[in-house]
Amino acid sequence: NAGVTQTPKFQVLKTGQSMTLQCAQDMNHEYMSWYRQDPGMGLRLIHYSVGAGITDQGEVPNGYNVSRSTTEDFPLRLLSAAPSQTSVYFCASSLTGREQYFGPGTRLTVT
Amino acid sequence: EDQVTQSPEALRLQEGESSSLNCSYTVSGLRGLFWYRQDPGKGPEFLFTLYSAGEEKEKERLKATLTKKESFLHITAPKPEDSATYLCAVQAAGTASKLTFGTGTRLQVTL
Repeated sequence: NAGVTQTPKFQVLKTGQSMTLQCAQDMNHEYMSWYRQDPGMGLRLIHYSVGAGITDQGEVPNGYNVSRSTTEDFPLRLLSAAPSQTSVYFCASSLTGREQYFGPGTRLTVT
Repeated sequence: EDQVTQSPEALRLQEGESSSLNCSYTVSGLRGLFWYRQDPGKGPEFLFTLYSAGEEKEKERLKATLTKKESFLHITAPKPEDSATYLCAVQAAGTASKLTFGTGTRLQVTL
């Protein structure tokens, strides 16, 4: 099993550009989440999904969209990038909704 | 609002020098408390889940304990390869896939 995979590993965007961060898992987990990690802030939940077709907002959802059309994939879309979205983004999946298994992260810089 | 506070922020130990990391939490009904290890540039790696006060879990040189207000991660006779940031997270009752993280303790173990 590859576990949780994320692409790209690094990305630089200009303010106002849009992009999609990809996340996939091959463990048949129903639960998937997106977090951002900033220095001194800890990991903060952006959006999460409890199954295909079902998504909900986390603590910091503004400026991000998600959809879950399959169990395996949970992409995160930035609609119009802002410098405040410079961060490291982690995708996670869970079988039970408790223990979460994280991907390697995407480091995003918005200039 | 759920809150997690970890201390100390950073800890430097010599190889073999045992110590403990603290995680204080407030949560509206605890569904689970989680410990993760994070190496630089990587995603968090799941270590333990604790569900109720009095519970203990062990893995190699690490032992996690839980009370109604805090959790400790005890590191016995650490080795340099234990150097990492250790993250604590809580999940409230009635929530699924939503974790609240602390900002972590950065542990360095020297020879």
